[in-house]
Amino acid sequence: QQKVQQSPESLIVPEGGMASLNCTSSDRNVDYFWWYRQHSGKSPKMLMSIFSNGEKEEGRFTVHLNKASLHTSLHIRDSQPSDSALYLCAAFGSNYNVLYFGSGTKLTVEP
Amino acid sequence: EAAVTQSPRNKVTVTGGNVTLSCRQTNSHNYMYWYRQDTGHGLRLIHYSYGAGNLQIGDVPDGYKATRTTQEDFFLLLELASPSQTSLYFCASSSDRGDTEVFFGKGTRLTVV
Repeated sequence: QQKVQQSPESLIVPEGGMASLNCTSSDRNVDYFWWYRQHSGKSPKMLMSIFSNGEKEEGRFTVHLNKASLHTSLHIRDSQPSDSALYLCAAFGSNYNVLYFGSGTKLTVEP
Repeated sequence: EAAVTQSPRNKVTVTGGNVTLSCRQTNSHNYMYWYRQDTGHGLRLIHYSYGAGNLQIGDVPDGYKATRTTQEDFFLLLELASPSQTSLYFCASSSDRGDTEVFFGKGTRLTVV
C-alpha cells in the first residue's frame, strides 16, 4: 500500500485562477510533508515543506497541514502557464530513513 | 545549488543485456538514492545508501543491484535487463534522512528493447 496518496491525478485551471492540490498519508508515523515540482522533461525540485500544523505561505504558494488527519494541501493563486507541471507530495516519518513520494498531480494552466 | 550528475542521459539496450547507470554528487551528502519514474506511479525507490560501502533496499529492488563505491559515487546495475525496466531513472542525494531536502540529477532515460 502506498504511504502517500495524491488527488486529483490531473487538474486544469485557467490562467489567473486558483489551483488546489491534495495529499494524504495513511501512516500515522508521518512527521513531515514536502512538495516537489517537476516541469516536463526536467527533474523534481523542492517547492515547499511543512512540518507543523497550520499554514505556510511563500509568494503565490500556500501549504496547509492538518497533522491529525495527515492531510496537506498546496494552493497556487493567480496561476500562471509556467506553473504547469507535475506536483509531487512526499512524506517522511520518524521511523523512516527516506522520503516516500505520491504519484503526483499533473497541473495544466491554460492561457 | 547541490549538484548531482547522472550518466548516460539516454541508453538503449536489448533484453538480457547488462546496464550500469552512474551517479556522482559533489555536495558531501551522506544519502544517495536511485528512483524510477513511470507514469501513474510517481517516484519509486529502488535502492539507497547512507555512505560508502552501505546499501539499503528500497521498495522496488527486484532486478536491480547497486553499489556505493565512494561518498560521491553511486551505481545502479541491471544485469539481465527486461522490457519492464524501461523507465526514467533519477539519482538523488540529501545531507541526511528524509527530513532534509533531496536534490535530483537530470535523469537517465533507459529503453530495453
